[in-house]
Amino acid sequence: GAVVSQHPSWVICKSGTSVKIECRSLDFQATTMFWYRQFPKQSLMLMATSNEGSKATYEQGVEKDKFLINHASLTLSTLTVTSAHPEDSSFYICSALPPRIPGNTEAFFGQGTRLTVV
Amino acid sequence: ELKVEQNPLFLSMQEGKNYTIYCNYSTTSDRLYWYRQDPGKSLESLFVLLSNGAVKQEGRLMASLDTKARLSTLHITAAVHDLSATYFCAVDTYKYIFGTGTRLKVLA
Repeated sequence: GAVVSQHPSWVICKSGTSVKIECRSLDFQATTMFWYRQFPKQSLMLMATSNEGSKATYEQGVEKDKFLINHASLTLSTLTVTSAHPEDSSFYICSALPPRIPGNTEAFFGQGTRLTVV
Repeated sequence: ELKVEQNPLFLSMQEGKNYTIYCNYSTTSDRLYWYRQDPGKSLESLFVLLSNGAVKQEGRLMASLDTKARLSTLHITAAVHDLSATYFCAVDTYKYIFGTGTRLKVLA
């Protein structure tokens, strides 16, 4: 399958600082990327959908001013957690979707980023 | 709001036994995916189901999709310890909505 690289794998930051997470599709162009958050022993919750060159669409209850998403190119999307607080500590996972064609609808997932805010 | 529910949420089973995990969803879709997640890891793709009646098998796992019933199943045959993990289904309505997850523990 296609490769999606997420960086960093883990990060520890102090409360009040900002953290940027990168999601790159290495061998295909991703017209759409998704960002998920997963708390321990829970499912993946969709945070936002980003399309290259346009503003991200945030799910209900997700603060767009806190979780800044940029999808500046067809191979890179970034999630910036601004003014991080301990409750933002979580596992963040991105996925990238190649252009949809019949028989090809599968998105590919990054390795995830473990964020710990102290 | 789309809901995707899995049953059971927790499953402890003996090696060699069979069991089925169910994934029910509340809206129309003919695309559904199954994933495995090990602790601290991201998702591993297991099955891609793209039409009503789709059935796929890989090793001891078999997945099926009934779009009319809005139901997918993941059947485990002769479980082994290595299958211990959390299994998620995800419904594709352009964006992926994940099920609640099933934590499977296979006892030796």
